[in-house]
Amino acid sequence: QTVVTQEPSFSVSPGGTVTLTCGLSSGSVSTNNYPSWYQQTPGQAPRTLIYSTNTRSSGVPGRFSGSVLGNNAALTITGAQADDESDYYCVLYMGRGISVFGGGTKLTVL
Amino acid sequence: QVQLQESGPGLVKPSQTLSLTCTVSGGSISSDGSYWSWIRQHPGKGLEWIGYIYYSGSTYYNPSLKSRVTMSVDTSKNQFSLKLSSVTAADTAVYYCARSRSQYYFDSWGQGTLVPVSS
Repeated sequence: QTVVTQEPSFSVSPGGTVTLTCGLSSGSVSTNNYPSWYQQTPGQAPRTLIYSTNTRSSGVPGRFSGSVLGNNAALTITGAQADDESDYYCVLYMGRGISVFGGGTKLTVL
Repeated sequence: QVQLQESGPGLVKPSQTLSLTCTVSGGSISSDGSYWSWIRQHPGKGLEWIGYIYYSGSTYYNPSLKSRVTMSVDTSKNQFSLKLSSVTAADTAVYYCARSRSQYYFDSWGQGTLVPVSS
C-alpha cells in the first residue's frame, strides 16, 4: 500500500517563507506523479492551489509555488500571510487510475 | 465554472448502504478528460480518495474500499453517484464530490455532505 507522506505540522512567521513537502513511503516523487496541492480551512471544501507539479490554479496568488525538490514534491509559500494558516494536502497520481492523498500539513502562521 | 452539489440521506444505519448523488451544473458530465470523483474526510482527519468514474462508465476505485464501492453515472441528468455497502461507524465522514482532470488533479469541488453512520 502506497503511503504519501507530509509533515504533520509546520509554522512560519508572517512574511516568511515555508516549504511543505510530499513524499512516498517507498520511492521518489517525480513529475510523472503529477503532484497537486490543496488548501483547506475548517468547515470548508478544499481549494486547488497547484497542479501538475507547478501550475497555479486560477486565482491563486503568486506567493504559492510548486516544484519537485530531490525525492519530494514541494509547495513553497513566499511571504506568508495570516490567512495562509490552513491545512495543506498533496495528491499524487500513482498510475492505473489510482490517486493517493497525503496525510496533510497543518500550517500555523505566527 | 462547473459546480457540484452532493445530496443524499443525512443518516445511515450500520450494515446498510450509503448512497450519495452529485449533480453537476455549468458544464457537461460528458466532457472529455473529466473524471468524476468521490473523496471523503473523517472528522478531524485527512482526505481520502474513494474513486473516479468517467462518463463512459469506466470506474477506478481505492483498493482499500474497492470491495464495498460502486460508482455510476447518469449522463441524461448530469449526475454521478456513490454507493458504499456494509457501512460501519468508521464510514462516518464528510463526503465530497469533485471533478478530476485526466485523473491527475481535482479542480472543482462540491461543498461536502456529512454522513453519520449510527443506529
